[in-house]
Amino acid sequence: KQEVTQIPAALSVPEGENLVLNCSFTDSAIYNLQWFRQDPGKGLTSLLLIQSSQREQTSGRLNASLDKSSGRSTLYIAASQPGDSATYLCAVYPEGGTSYGKLTFGQGTILTVHP
Amino acid sequence: KAGVTQTPRYLIKTRGQQVTLSCSPISGHRSVSWYQQTPGQGLQFLFEYFSETQRNKGNFPGRFSGRQFSNSRSEMNVSTLELGDSALYLCASSRTGLGYTFGSGTRLTVV
Repeated sequence: KQEVTQIPAALSVPEGENLVLNCSFTDSAIYNLQWFRQDPGKGLTSLLLIQSSQREQTSGRLNASLDKSSGRSTLYIAASQPGDSATYLCAVYPEGGTSYGKLTFGQGTILTVHP
Repeated sequence: KAGVTQTPRYLIKTRGQQVTLSCSPISGHRSVSWYQQTPGQGLQFLFEYFSETQRNKGNFPGRFSGRQFSNSRSEMNVSTLELGDSALYLCASSRTGLGYTFGSGTRLTVV
């Protein structure tokens, strides 16, 4: 059974810092990996989707890498801002090219960026 | 383009009642998945529908059911509500199953 762990569980940083969020998974036989952010009481907003053949994706100040062999993904946030404060979730897609909707999520990292 | 739309946003129900939640996927998306999110258990997969067929189901009791219509809109139903069913219910849609877009969720409170 796939298990996804996110470290740290919570992180508080001053504005402007560069930071790294970690996601590890027990079964390296995954297809895609997706990072989301969730604001309190809201739905999930997709940040980055790393597809099967990719090792990295970038969008603005965000960069996510994926190493299937070691069962790890990292989300790098550059020059953090208070608006980045949210819960960050990673989700893995099972191997085979079709998830039939079933993603396995980590418990999330709660990020607080203070001015 | 319009995102995934879930209605209603909030619901308060009494134990023993039943509830129906609705999800309209992004136009052209035929796969619709449902998740339950609670502080203790995190995000847990309920089921997935594609072209009106349930293709996958999570480990939830039979009180949780769903369906999908020919226009890809989906509903989930919870019968005989329990206090533990209080959660944020999230719907997600995908065209290919290789990248999902989530809605804003329905917050269900059972009293």
